[in-house]
Amino acid sequence: KAGVTQTPRYLIKTRGQQVTLSCSPISGHRSVSWYQQTPGQGLQFLFEYFSETQRNKGNFPGRFSGRQFSNSRSEMNVSTLELGDSALYLCASSVDTSGGYTDTQYFGPGTRLTVL
Amino acid sequence: GENVEQHPSTLSVQEGDSAVIKCTYSDSASNYFPWYKQELGKGPQLIIDIRSNVGEKKDQRIAVTLNKTAKHFSLHITETQPEDSAVYFCAASRAAGGANNLFFGTGTRLTVIP
Repeated sequence: KAGVTQTPRYLIKTRGQQVTLSCSPISGHRSVSWYQQTPGQGLQFLFEYFSETQRNKGNFPGRFSGRQFSNSRSEMNVSTLELGDSALYLCASSVDTSGGYTDTQYFGPGTRLTVL
Repeated sequence: GENVEQHPSTLSVQEGDSAVIKCTYSDSASNYFPWYKQELGKGPQLIIDIRSNVGEKKDQRIAVTLNKTAKHFSLHITETQPEDSAVYFCAASRAAGGANNLFFGTGTRLTVIP
């Protein structure tokens, strides 16, 4: 079974621009979560989508947004990029997180975003 | 929210020796504790996980122990090999109405010296 795929793998943008990252979960997985990884803050949860709805959100500004499509693929968008948004953005998928039981999350290789 | 602390931040061991990484968590409602291995240029890879109804779990050279009373859990790697060199992250989560995001520790860079 193919793993989680993320595109693009590398991205360079300038301050003020916006960016869209894509994630395709493992086949059959319905939940997609996004994390930001930086040397200073480590791995931090951005948001989780299930059945095309955002079910959970971390402590990030509204410039960070996402969506999920009917085939469970997900995108995240960052508007008005800042230098501090430079990070590795990781997507993780799990079978179903319907509450009461935490399903195992499998991570993709990430998208390395550099903001100049 | 949950706070996960991880120690040590770096660990060097001789090939064949054992390595132990420890984590503590703050939220007594956390009930799921995975460990991930991250190699350079790759995403975190799940290596083992444990749920709060189990005290210990083992998979070949890797084992995890959980002490719910003390709110800490540990990763044990025996007979270490050079390919075990990577950054290891612990995490904690609790499933509550769909809120099951992972809270990660700060990572341990393990170096296995041949």
